[in-house]
Amino acid sequence: DQQVKQNSPSLSVQEGRISILNCDYTNSMFDYFLWYKKYPAEGPTFLISISSIKDKNEDGRFTVFLNKSAKHLSLHIVPSQPGDSAVYFCAASASGTYKYIFGTGTRLKVLA
Amino acid sequence: SQTIHQWPATLVQPVGSPLSLECTVEGTSNPNLYWYRQAAGRGLQLLFYSVGIGQISSEVPQNLSASRPQDRQFILSSKKLLLSDSGFYLCAWSDGQGGHYGYTFGSGTRLTVV
Repeated sequence: DQQVKQNSPSLSVQEGRISILNCDYTNSMFDYFLWYKKYPAEGPTFLISISSIKDKNEDGRFTVFLNKSAKHLSLHIVPSQPGDSAVYFCAASASGTYKYIFGTGTRLKVLA
Repeated sequence: SQTIHQWPATLVQPVGSPLSLECTVEGTSNPNLYWYRQAAGRGLQLLFYSVGIGQISSEVPQNLSASRPQDRQFILSSKKLLLSDSGFYLCAWSDGQGGHYGYTFGSGTRLTVV
């Protein structure tokens, strides 16, 4: 039972354009969401978070949008850069559970 | 500042051999500790987490076990490895607020069971 889903395993975007990575979840108890970036043979690094009391959080080139009614979140990267090429994971947590459930990841390739 | 150490970086083990992966955290006390696995073509699967010494929660039934003998030490073990245990193992820690400031992951261990 995959509670957090990233239905696009890969995405290619031209440098300078917008990258949009999507994530869906099924558990309505989830109230905090994270995005991580992972390079091969390295641990994931934290990118940006959003709590369920917000519908948008922005940090530089990265913006996360949350649609609670649709149980959907997305990560926008503008403008995309070749160094953004990596696997991106979304993760969700319910308060008090001490754990995050991760999606299967989307491999982003930014073409120069 | 807090740091997390995970070793070894790579490991090749025969089927049926034992396993011990170690993770330590420095610069914090009473962290929440986690073991995740990334199998080929799959996402990050939570294996175990611990909110205190001796407190281990298992997320999936499997051939692995975890222990937390000290506050900042988390060990992943197996008595007899299976081919399906191959993968990229990641240790992570978070603060006692349940990780709402995000996990910090170690650099991972690539385990290949042959």
